[in-house]
Amino acid sequence: AQSVTQLGSHVSVSEGALVLLRCNYSSSVPPYLFWYVQYPNQGLQLLLKYTTGATLVKGINGFEAEFKKSETSFHLTKPSAHMSDAAEYFCAVSQGGSARQLTFGSGTQLTVLP
Amino acid sequence: SQTIHQWPATLVQPVGSPLSLECTVEGTSNPNLYWYRQAAGRGLQLLFYSVGIGQISSEVPQNLSASRPQDRQFILSSKKLLLSDSGFYLCAWNRAAYEQYFGPGTRLTVT
Repeated sequence: AQSVTQLGSHVSVSEGALVLLRCNYSSSVPPYLFWYVQYPNQGLQLLLKYTTGATLVKGINGFEAEFKKSETSFHLTKPSAHMSDAAEYFCAVSQGGSARQLTFGSGTQLTVLP
Repeated sequence: SQTIHQWPATLVQPVGSPLSLECTVEGTSNPNLYWYRQAAGRGLQLLFYSVGIGQISSEVPQNLSASRPQDRQFILSSKKLLLSDSGFYLCAWNRAAYEQYFGPGTRLTVT
C-alpha cells in the first residue's frame, strides 16, 4: 500500500522568505507524485507533477519540487514567498493502474507573514 | 478544454433528510470520476470512484452511495443524512494521465 506523510500541518514564513513544504511517500512501485494547492472554499489546483524523467520539476506560481528516490521525498519549494501563496498544500502519490487513484497527505497550511 | 461542474455550491440539510450532489465533466469522454470528502481541518478522504458507466467502487463503508448514469455524470447520494456527513465534497476526474482535476466543491452542513 502507498502512503504520504507531510511533515508539519502548519508552516509560517515571512514574505520574501524561502518556502519549504515537506513530503515523504512510501510506494512499492515507482510512484507518480503531485502537489496540489487549495484556497479556502475552493477545489484543489494542480501545482506540479513528477512522472518520469527529470527529478526537478517546475510548476505554476514559481514552485518547484525535487523527487529524491533514495530519501523517498518530494519536497515543495519556492525561493520567495508571496502573500498570495497562503493556502493549504497537499502532496499526493499514485501507483497508476486503471483506477489511477491518488493517495493524499494530510495537508500543510501555509501562512505568509507580512 | 475540459471543465468540471458541481452543484449545488452550498447546502444545508437537516439530519435524516436525503442528499443528491451532482458532478458533470465537459470536454472529455470516458473519464475516471472520483468523489472525495474533506471534513473540517482534515485531509481528503476518497469515497467512491468510477472507471465507467454503472461501475462504482466504494472506498469507505458509510451512509453514502454513488451512481454514474451517464459517461460524464457522477452523483453522490444518501437516503438519510447524519451529522457526521457534514463536510466539503469534491468531485474529480482524470483520463489518460495520472493527475486528477477537481471541481469547485459542495459545502454540506447537516443540522
